[in-house]
Amino acid sequence: QKEVEQNSGPLSVPEGAIASLNCTYSDRGSQSFFWYRQYSGKSPELIMSIYSNGDKEDGRFTAQLNKASQYVSLLIRDSQPSDSATYLCAVISGGSYIPTFGRGTSLIVHP
Amino acid sequence: DAGVTQSPTHLIKTRGQHVTLRCSPISGHKSVSWYQQVLGQGPQFIFQYYEKEERGRGNFPDRFSARQFPNYSSELNVNALLLGDSALYLCASSFGQGYSYEQYFGPGTRLTVT
Repeated sequence: QKEVEQNSGPLSVPEGAIASLNCTYSDRGSQSFFWYRQYSGKSPELIMSIYSNGDKEDGRFTAQLNKASQYVSLLIRDSQPSDSATYLCAVISGGSYIPTFGRGTSLIVHP
Repeated sequence: DAGVTQSPTHLIKTRGQHVTLRCSPISGHKSVSWYQQVLGQGPQFIFQYYEKEERGRGNFPDRFSARQFPNYSSELNVNALLLGDSALYLCASSFGQGYSYEQYFGPGTRLTVT
C-alpha cells in the first residue's frame, strides 16, 4: 500500500509569516510530486510540481524535495489570509502513472 | 482557454438509482482521471483513461464504470447507489500519461444519495 502522509492540522500562522507544510511518502521509487490547494467547497488547484531533489520556487511558493528522506514540503512566504485553504500533497510512485493523494493539511492565516 | 468542465454541478439521487457524471477535458488533453473525495480526505482514485483506453482502476466496486469518447470527454457511471457514494466526484485531465504530466481538476460534481 503506497501511502502519503500529511498532518491534518490546522496549521495556524499570522499574516506575513512563512507557512511550512510537510508530506512524507512510503514508496522510495516515487517519481513525481505535486502540491494542490483546495478551498472549502471547491476543487483542487495545482500549485506546483517537483521531480528532482532540491528546491523549486514559484512566486511566494517553494517546494522542497528530499528523496533520501522521502519527504516533500511546501513553503509559503508572506502568508496572506487568502492562502487559508487545505493543501494536498500528491505523489506518483514508480511503475504507476496515478497519483496518490494525502488527506491534506488545513492552513489558517490570521490577520 | 476553458478548463476542465463537469456536469452536473450538483445531483441528488435515491438509494438504488443510477447516475451518470460527465467531464470534458482541457482542449488538447488526452487523459482523463476520475476521483472520489469525501469530507476530510484527499481524492481517491477511481479510473484513468488515456487515448480512450482504461489505463488504471482504483479499489472501487464494479458498480462504478467509465468510458472515454473519441473527443476525449468521459463519463462516470455508478449503479445501485448507496448512501456511502455521497461525495464530491472530481475529473482531472492531463496532456498525456506519464510521470511528468500534471493533472488539472474540474469543479466537481457534488452527489448526494438519500
